[in-house]
Amino acid sequence: QQPVQSPQAVILREGEDAVINCSSSKALYSVHWYRQKHGEAPVFLMILLKGGEQKGHEKISASFNEKKQQSSLYLTASQLSYSGTYFCGTGGNDYKLSFGAGTTVTVRA
Amino acid sequence: KAGVTQTPRYLIKTRGQQVTLSCSPISGHRSVSWYQQTPGQGLQFLFEYFSETQRNKGNFPGRFSGRQFSNSRSEMNVSTLELGDSALYLCASSTGLTPDTQYFGPGTRLTVL
Repeated sequence: QQPVQSPQAVILREGEDAVINCSSSKALYSVHWYRQKHGEAPVFLMILLKGGEQKGHEKISASFNEKKQQSSLYLTASQLSYSGTYFCGTGGNDYKLSFGAGTTVTVRA
Repeated sequence: KAGVTQTPRYLIKTRGQQVTLSCSPISGHRSVSWYQQTPGQGLQFLFEYFSETQRNKGNFPGRFSGRQFSNSRSEMNVSTLELGDSALYLCASSTGLTPDTQYFGPGTRLTVL
C-alpha cells in the first residue's frame, strides 16, 4: 500500500525550515527518502530503520517512529538546491518499496 | 563505480505495438526493481528481480513483464501498448538485501501515440 505524504507542495524562502511527513497503514521495516529534480532520476538521501533512528544529510534530517508508522523529513535553513520533489519509500520485509506521491519543494531566493 | 544505465532514453511508439526496455545495474548488485512514474502518481512499483527470479510484483496488468539475466541485467517488456502507458520508466538496483538503498537509473521516457 502506498504511503501518504503531506503536504503535497511547499514554498519556502532561502533559510526557512520545512517538514515533510510520510505515514503508512502497514508495519514498516524501513523508510527511504529520495529527492528528484525535474528531468532527473531520484537521488537517495537517507534510509532509516525501525527503532526510532534519526539520520542527517547536511542540513536535512529525518526521524522514524515505527509505533506510529510515520517518518518525517526536516529541511533546515533551506537552500536553493533543496528544490525538487521528495519521495518517501516504505519497506516491509518483502524486498519491495512502496513510494508516496511526493512532496514538491520550491525554495525561492 | 558506474551507475545504473537504462536504454533507450527515449521511445515513441504507437498503440498496439510492443516495447522492450533495458536496465544494467551497478556492478555487484543482484536486484533490479522497475517503476512507472506519471505526473501526480509518484512511483508505481512494477516488479523486482533478484538472481534471475521475480521476487515481487506490483498491481499492473499482464501486458507488463520482465526478466533478469545471469549478469543481473534486466529487461522490461510492455505488449499491446495503450496511450496510458506513456510514462517515465525507472529501474533501480540494489544488493537485494533488505533493507537496502536502491539506486535509480536515468529512466526511459516512453510516449505512446
